Amino acid sequence: DAGVTQSPTHLIKTRGQQVTLRCSPKSGHDTVSWYQQALGQGPQFIFQYYEEEERQRGNFPDRFSGHQFPNYSSELNVNALLLGDSALYLCAGSQSSYNSPLHFGNGTRLTVT
Amino acid sequence: GEDVEQSLFLSVREGDSSVINCTYTDSSSTYLYWYKQEPGAGLQLLTYIFSNMDMKQDQRLTVLLNKKDKHLSLRIADTQTGDSAIYFCAEKDQKVTFGIGTKLQVIP
Repeated sequence: DAGVTQSPTHLIKTRGQQVTLRCSPKSGHDTVSWYQQALGQGPQFIFQYYEEEERQRGNFPDRFSGHQFPNYSSELNVNALLLGDSALYLCAGSQSSYNSPLHFGNGTRLTVT
Repeated sequence: GEDVEQSLFLSVREGDSSVINCTYTDSSSTYLYWYKQEPGAGLQLLTYIFSNMDMKQDQRLTVLLNKKDKHLSLRIADTQTGDSAIYFCAEKDQKVTFGIGTKLQVIP
């Protein structure tokens, strides 16, 4: 049973460009959460998707958007990249039941130059 | 709002016990978690505790929760060099909020 998979593992982009990151949760998980982890910091909540809808959102600008597909996989899109968007982007899957903990992938390391 | 605080660094000798502490502010937190992050990797769930529990033990790991003081701790018995990592405390209300992480250094 595969765990949470994220692609790509590393990415280098230029300021102003757009990026799409992808995530597939493990089997049985229908909810996907995205987090941004800057160097030396804890993960910061971006948003959560369930039933193909954004269910909750953290304090991130509209440049950050997402999507969830019928197979529960998800994408994170970031437009008009800034240097400050350089970070590790973590995806976590969980079940929709309230007591289901988050299970993380290894993340995508995004560098904006 | 939610806030989770942890000390930044802890150094212990191999074989000793490690205790990592965390405080949180959200009194409506329902679950509290401990995650481990090794270099270049994502977060690995170690253990979690429901807010109406005081203690949970899982092999070498013991979690203590003082809900009155909003204080959570993780004790690692017989700490090994492989336990060297960053440990994150997290609390859940509507979403999961993480602390900044405690870097555990194990000295052989």
